[in-house]
Amino acid sequence: DAGITQSPRHKVTETGTPVTLRCHQTENHRYMYWYRQDPGHGLRLIHYSYGVKDTDKGEVSDGYSVSRSKTEDFLLTLESATSSQTSVYFCAIMARLAGSYEQYFGPGTRLTVT
Amino acid sequence: RKEVEQDPGPFNVPEGATVAFNCTYSNSASQSFFWYRQDCRKEPKLLMSVYSSGNEDGRFTAQLNRASQYISLLIRDSKLSDSATYLCVVNTDPMNRDDKIIFGKGTRLHILP
Repeated sequence: DAGITQSPRHKVTETGTPVTLRCHQTENHRYMYWYRQDPGHGLRLIHYSYGVKDTDKGEVSDGYSVSRSKTEDFLLTLESATSSQTSVYFCAIMARLAGSYEQYFGPGTRLTVT
Repeated sequence: RKEVEQDPGPFNVPEGATVAFNCTYSNSASQSFFWYRQDCRKEPKLLMSVYSSGNEDGRFTAQLNRASQYISLLIRDSKLSDSATYLCVVNTDPMNRDDKIIFGKGTRLHILP
């Protein structure tokens, strides 16, 4: 258990509304990531962070923004939700354990945009 | 060639049998390799890292073949609880800003009673 929580766990929202998903970790990991997972596509990286106020875009960043004002929280915002953003969103951290670096995932947020 | 490629399956295997899957990767500079397991509607969970010398954890054995650019996962004495999707993950440069973490789309495994 890497101490990662996500909120909300489920959300239904309407097209055009802004949505913010929260990822919270308790173990002071520096590296955090947001992914989306869709059938046929696998996990795709949206944004990632190397530390407080240090973020970068992943492969599917259009329509998303992130913020990291504290080490423990990484927020993902959908500026104006669209139906194509209906997905399962996973947050992850990178942990260094016994000389290797391993990713651990939060439980996911299931987002439906109607 | 796709960056990370897996046979999507499903592999339907009787309980107690041995099953193996491979994952091929295209970037010869890749440095770290992992197998994750993902149950339906759950997050991916790290199953095992894959080391150059190969490694074993109970009924699970992972191997790396750098020359042919693939990793493998072998499950012996399969259990009903092994039914899941198995994801192959490849990193190019862990903990570096230029790191690329590539996920395969997964191989579905169904263990049959």
